[in-house]
Amino acid sequence: AQKITQTQPGMFVQEKEAVTLDCTYDTSDQSYGLFWYKQPSSGEMIFLIYQGSYDEQNATEGRYSLNFQKARKSANLVISASQLGDSAMYFCAMNDAGNMLTFGGGTRLMVKP
Amino acid sequence: AAGVIQSPRHLIKEKRETATLKCYPIPRHDTVYWYQQGPGQDPQFLISFYEKMQSDKGSIPDRFSAQQFSDYHSELNMSSLELGDSALYFCASSTSDVAYNSPLHFGNGTRLTVT
Repeated sequence: AQKITQTQPGMFVQEKEAVTLDCTYDTSDQSYGLFWYKQPSSGEMIFLIYQGSYDEQNATEGRYSLNFQKARKSANLVISASQLGDSAMYFCAMNDAGNMLTFGGGTRLMVKP
Repeated sequence: AAGVIQSPRHLIKEKRETATLKCYPIPRHDTVYWYQQGPGQDPQFLISFYEKMQSDKGSIPDRFSAQQFSDYHSELNMSSLELGDSALYFCASSTSDVAYNSPLHFGNGTRLTVT
């Protein structure tokens, strides 16, 4: 069964605007972590932001924030003031049982000048 | 800041050959993970090591093996290579064996092409 679902295969956003990338997850565990990674066309995986299931406040890291709605099992990534360099593939991932991360299918974000 | 180092960056092999990928984790990270990302796909977990012991196993083929050495670096050995093994192979490391307590930091990957 799909644990992480990213329903937007691709998105466009105008430079300097905000954009929300959707992520829903499925787990029966009470303790889990949610992660967002950015993968530019060069291929590397860049860690952006982390949200723990027990964290009461939404995580923020610079222009990135995570809109965590636990009851709805969603962990959307919000990028404020988009820049051309934000064009990349974005992966939502989760760890529940075990050490490994399970990734969603990704969303390709394209920032228009 | 030091990052996860993977070598080589690119590797071209023929079918039925063997390949060895190397990973040097961030200093003081004791857990190493290997992922495989096929073209246009999300990364798939292969295997992980904590304190030099295998801690989790994912969809790693029997033709592949891995280990973590005393200096915490890890190697992924791939034998009898098939065309379908062509992918980007990531190594990641973290500070504990429970990923939700600390994020995984990924290396730049090794792009393996099997011809």
